[in-house]
Amino acid sequence: ETGVTQTPRHLVMGMTNKKSLKCEQHLGHNAMYWYKQSAKKPLELMFVYSLEERVENNSVPSRFSPECPNSSHLFLHLHTLQPEDSALYLCASSQDQQVHYGYTFGSGTRLTVV
Amino acid sequence: LAKTTQPISMDSYEGQEVNITCSHNNIATNDYITWYQQFPSQGPRFIIQGYKTKVTNEVASLFIPADRKSSTLSLPRVSLSDTAVYYCLVDDYKLSFGAGTTVTVRA
Repeated sequence: ETGVTQTPRHLVMGMTNKKSLKCEQHLGHNAMYWYKQSAKKPLELMFVYSLEERVENNSVPSRFSPECPNSSHLFLHLHTLQPEDSALYLCASSQDQQVHYGYTFGSGTRLTVV
Repeated sequence: LAKTTQPISMDSYEGQEVNITCSHNNIATNDYITWYQQFPSQGPRFIIQGYKTKVTNEVASLFIPADRKSSTLSLPRVSLSDTAVYYCLVDDYKLSFGAGTTVTVRA
């Protein structure tokens, strides 16, 4: 257990479904991130939140909608996804967005879109 | 955004030392050099970080020359469980992962 918990670990959803991924950290970190990792591809940064405000959105399609209700929780709401969205979705947190030390990742959610 | 170049893959045997060199020719003054390890279907795990010279912890050593345009991660006496992808990052506040180096340790 890394201190960053992601649920569910595995998710299979149809293209018309709506689902949400959850990330939780109790490390006292102020910044949280969503990454996507497709098969045999590098990690892609999707969203960055700092002190519950979105500070980065890397041209992610609107079918992915993040939410950060407080500094300990981060959600990724999914709707009308495509099969190419199947990937490992990783959440990470860090003490401060500007401090490059101690980024902690969760174990990820393996998403399959059918 | 500082970019890094590292070998795509490396093979080794148990008990050997593995050295992975990362090039970062346009590293900025404020950039730290950080290495992460990732096992399949898991998130990356922080291994070591440095700014200059040498840093050592219980897992690895990091060697950084004076010009800081490269760095070398050294894994002493690897075991099968060290088989993973290793990433070198030199971005000061936004993690940008490249393809990493796939290290395969054989018995």
